[in-house]
Amino acid sequence: AQSVTQPDIHITVSEGASLELRCNYSYGATPYLFWYVQSPGQGLQLLLKYFSGDTLVQGIKGFEAEFKRSQSSFNLRKPSVHWSDAAEYFCAVVGNQGGKLIFGQGTELSVKP
Amino acid sequence: GAGVSQSPSNKVTEKGKDVELRCDPISGHTALYWYRQSLGQGLEFLIYFQGNSAPDKSGLPSDRFSAERTGGSVSTLTIQRTQQEDSAVYLCASSRGMVETQYFGPGTRLLVL
Repeated sequence: AQSVTQPDIHITVSEGASLELRCNYSYGATPYLFWYVQSPGQGLQLLLKYFSGDTLVQGIKGFEAEFKRSQSSFNLRKPSVHWSDAAEYFCAVVGNQGGKLIFGQGTELSVKP
Repeated sequence: GAGVSQSPSNKVTEKGKDVELRCDPISGHTALYWYRQSLGQGLEFLIYFQGNSAPDKSGLPSDRFSAERTGGSVSTLTIQRTQQEDSAVYLCASSRGMVETQYFGPGTRLLVL
């Protein structure tokens, strides 16, 4: 069965520091992968996606992610975190039935000044 | 353009009552998804529509939950005889088709007393 694991439930970084959020997936075929961000009381906003092609994908707000098939990973990175990046981040893979998304448990990001 | 909208934004109901949650997808999007977000269970898929038909209802937790979509547009999720464990945020998403990027609405926060 497909699954997504985000090993870090909560991460705190200093403003201006770099960030990496981990995501591992379990999927038999080539996965379609997403990162979404959710601010408190808000819906989910798409940060970036990987369908095929270049394994390093660029997203909005200065985020990028790298697909590594050998490690079954799709980690999210940002070189310099801003206080407004504090939110919850979800990694997701498209399931093999009907396109439903299978989400990881989420990583809550706190940013200290 | 207009995004996915959901109503009501908040709903408080008494145990045993029925509730209806509405989703207006992005115009022209043929696929529509319902998800539930709760503290203990994270983000869970409920049901998927392609047009007016629902090929995948596998995520509906019990027969108290049902959904329909009319005119290939608006969808209603109905929960009958609500229970306290139904308290959650119900998110709707739409996409151009299967395995396309899903765009999420702001959600309906349901509280069952």
